[in-house]
Order: sequence, then C-alpha cells, then structure tokens
Amino acid sequence: DQQVKQNSPSLSVQEGRISILNCDYTNSMFDYFLWYKKYPAEGPTFLISISSIKDKNEDGRFTVFLNKSAKHLSLHIVPSQPGDSAVYFCAASARTNFGNEKLTFGTGTRLTIIP
Amino acid sequence: GAGVSQSPRYKVAKRGQDVALRCDPISGHVSLFWYQQALGQGPEFLTYFQNEAQLDKSGLPSDRFFAERPEGSVSTLKIQRTQQEDSAVYLCASSFSASYGYTFGSGTRLTVV
Repeated sequence: DQQVKQNSPSLSVQEGRISILNCDYTNSMFDYFLWYKKYPAEGPTFLISISSIKDKNEDGRFTVFLNKSAKHLSLHIVPSQPGDSAVYFCAASARTNFGNEKLTFGTGTRLTIIP
Repeated sequence: GAGVSQSPRYKVAKRGQDVALRCDPISGHVSLFWYQQALGQGPEFLTYFQNEAQLDKSGLPSDRFFAERPEGSVSTLKIQRTQQEDSAVYLCASSFSASYGYTFGSGTRLTVV
C-alpha cells in the first residue's frame, strides 16, 4: 500500500523553463512534507520542506505547494538548470509512538534538464 | 566528520552469508536511522536509534536483520543468512534530533548472488 505516490517516473524540461514535480499522499496524519534530491551513487539530499499547516514554501528557485484537501503537493523549480538533473523524492513525515519522525518516501521522479 | 560515512560502499554476498554494514554518523548527532532502498523504489524505514537505545525497529523486515549502536555513535546493521530479496542500497542518516532534518550517507549497495 503506497502511502506516498509519484506517478511520473521521469520528466524532461528545457533549460530555463519551469519544472513541476508532483506527489500524492493518502495518510492524513502526515505533518510535514519534504523533497529530496538524489544524484547517482549518493544519498538523498534535503531540498525543501513544508508543514501541513501551510500551503506554500519558497526557497530561491524552489517552491513547494501543498493542497491538503486534495492530498497533493508539488515542487516547482524555476528557472531549471542543468545541475537540477537528478532523481527527486517526495517524502512525508509522521511522528511515531516512539517519538521519532518517520519518513515515507515516494518512488521518485527522474528529472532531466535539456540544455 | 563532515558527513555521514558508510562502509563498505559495495558488498557482494553469497546467499546464506552474513553481512555487516557500518555507519559513522556526524559527530554529536543523537539520532540515527537506517533505510533500505530497493531498485526503482524510494527508501523505506528500517530502524531508529536515540543515542545507544534502539527505540523503533518496526521497519526491520525479519529477524535476520539486527542493528546496534553500542556507544551511541557508530552503528552496524547486520543481516544474517542473506537472501536475494535483501539486495538493495542501505542508507544511514543522522540528526541532532528525532525530527526529519537529517543527513543521509551515500549508502551501501548490497548484492546477494
């Protein structure tokens, strides 16, 4: 049962244009949502997050939008640059009974920026 | 150290062999997490340590998987009697707190043949 879904395995975008990556979730108990970027042979690197009580968070070229009623979030990258080519994972966080935040990841979207 | 260090980077094991994967977290990080990433999938939670205490092991797939962090710093994930379905990248992450703001290592890619 996939609680966090990224339905697009891959996406190609022209350099300078906007990249939009989408993510859907099913568990309403998630309290934070995050995007991670992953290059080959490296671990995921935190990119940006958003609390479940907000609908937008912006950091430079990166903006995350959250639509709680639709259980949907998206990551916008503008303008897209060649160095943005990577696999992007959407993750959702929920606090466990043990006190830690546990991340549930989607399957990732491979973004390719075309020069 | 500057980041989370994992060793070995690659491990090939014959089915039935025991393996041990090491994680050196960022110095001073209290929380340590292990995740398993199968090919084409996102990382999946295995276990969580706060200092030397293993507080959450709900994600360990079977009793063949065992993790320890005896002195509250370095952690070892041990897999006994490896099977082909154990083939995956094993990621370690650490953080100052139990929250989501943690740093991942580069992972150990385990291939069971």
